Amino acid sequence: RKEVEQDPGPFNVPEGATVAFNCTYSNSASQSFFWYRQDCRKEPKLLMSVYSSGNEDGRFTAQLNRASQYISLLIRDSKLSDSATYLCVVIVYGGSQGNLIFGKGTKLSVKP
Amino acid sequence: GAVVSQHPSWVICKSGTSVKIECRSLDFQATTMFWYRQFPKQSLMLMATSNEGSKATYEQGVEKDKFLINHASLTLSTLTVTSAHPEDSSFYICSARPTDRGIFSTQHFGDGTRLSIL
Repeated sequence: RKEVEQDPGPFNVPEGATVAFNCTYSNSASQSFFWYRQDCRKEPKLLMSVYSSGNEDGRFTAQLNRASQYISLLIRDSKLSDSATYLCVVIVYGGSQGNLIFGKGTKLSVKP
Repeated sequence: GAVVSQHPSWVICKSGTSVKIECRSLDFQATTMFWYRQFPKQSLMLMATSNEGSKATYEQGVEKDKFLINHASLTLSTLTVTSAHPEDSSFYICSARPTDRGIFSTQHFGDGTRLSIL
C-alpha cells in the first residue's frame, strides 16, 4: 500500500463548480499535513497546511481526520486558474529529517 | 521571502556527461536541503537529504556514487549526476527547510531542473 494515496483524476469541472479531493495516508505516525499545487512542468507550491480543526483560506478548505487517516481539500467557486495537479503531502514522525512524502496528485481541469 | 533558487532550469546533454545542479536558499539559512526526482505522471520521490557540513543521506535504491551531493554552506547544496544516461532524464527539484524551523515545518522548493539526456 502506498504511503499517501490520491485519486489521480482528472477532475473536469466547469467554472464556478465546487470540487473535493480526498487523500489517505497509511502511516499513523504522520505528523504534519499539507496540500501543494503543481502546475505542469513546474515546482510544487504550498497551498495550505492541514489541521485537525480544519482550516479555510478563501475558497479553499482543508480537513484532517486522524482517526480515519484521511485528508480532504474543498475548492469552491472554481476558477480557470485553479487548473493544476493537487498534491497531498505528509511528514512522518520519526523520520530524522522530517521528509515530505508526496501523493501522486489529483489533476484538476476547470473549463469555461 | 523564503525563496529557493535552482539552476539550471533546463539541461540537454549527451549520454556520459556529468551534470551539476545548484540549489540556493536566497534569504534564509538551510542546514537541511532535500533533492527530489519526478518522472512523468509520478509523484515526487525523495532521493537524498543534504546536510550542511556532513554526508548526505540517500534513500534506498539511489546510488550515492552516481548522484553526488555537496552541501558546503548553509545556503547552497549541489547535486551532480555523474555519467548521465537517458534513464536519468527526469525533473529534479530541490527544497530547503529554514534552519530556525522544526523538522515538521514545510519546505521551500526550487523551480526544478528538467534534465534530458540524449
